[in-house]
Amino acid sequence: AQSVSQHNHHVILSEAASLELGCNYSYGGTVNLFWYVQYPGQHLQLLLKYFSGDPLVKGIKGFEAEFIKSKFSFNLRKPSVQWSDTAEYFCAVNAGYGGSQGNLIFGKGTKLSVKP
Amino acid sequence: ETGVTQTPRHLVMGMTNKKSLKCEQHLGHNAMYWYKQSAKKPLELMFVYSLEERVENNSVPSRFSPECPNSSHLFLHLHTLQPEDSALYLCASSQDLGLGTEAFFGQGTRLTVV
Repeated sequence: AQSVSQHNHHVILSEAASLELGCNYSYGGTVNLFWYVQYPGQHLQLLLKYFSGDPLVKGIKGFEAEFIKSKFSFNLRKPSVQWSDTAEYFCAVNAGYGGSQGNLIFGKGTKLSVKP
Repeated sequence: ETGVTQTPRHLVMGMTNKKSLKCEQHLGHNAMYWYKQSAKKPLELMFVYSLEERVENNSVPSRFSPECPNSSHLFLHLHTLQPEDSALYLCASSQDLGLGTEAFFGQGTRLTVV
């Protein structure tokens, strides 16, 4: 069965530090990859997504992610975090077997705390 | 505000109660979903509806019963739940079942079964 692993449960950074959150998936076929973010008390929202083409994907708020097929990875990065980036981040994969974005397999999430 | 509204936001119910969760989307989408978010576990897809027809049911116990009377509304009827069913239940919608469409999530209903 497909699965998504997020390596860090909780990451604590100071403002202006660089961020990288790991995400690995287990599926050998065509995949579509997503990062969602959930700010405190708010709904899940899409940060960025990869379907095809350039493996370096840019999202909202200065976030980017790189799809490395050989490593089954889709790590999220931001060069300089802000206090407002404090949130929980979820990596998700759609294994492309005909389902929609709603047919997503999620990782357990990584909580990011940014100290001012 | 995503255009997907869930009510109630919080619900406490006994194991013998019957209650319903409601989801409404104002986006004109044709597909709607229920997810379960438990502590320290990944989000789990429960049900998928497209044009009011159920297209997926991921081995969910029968004590959870979905209903989609129209493309704007989705319900999750609950009866004789167990304490381990306590979780955040998220509703989502998307334009259709195509891979190119984005899913929009509601804020969820925090359910506690006592």
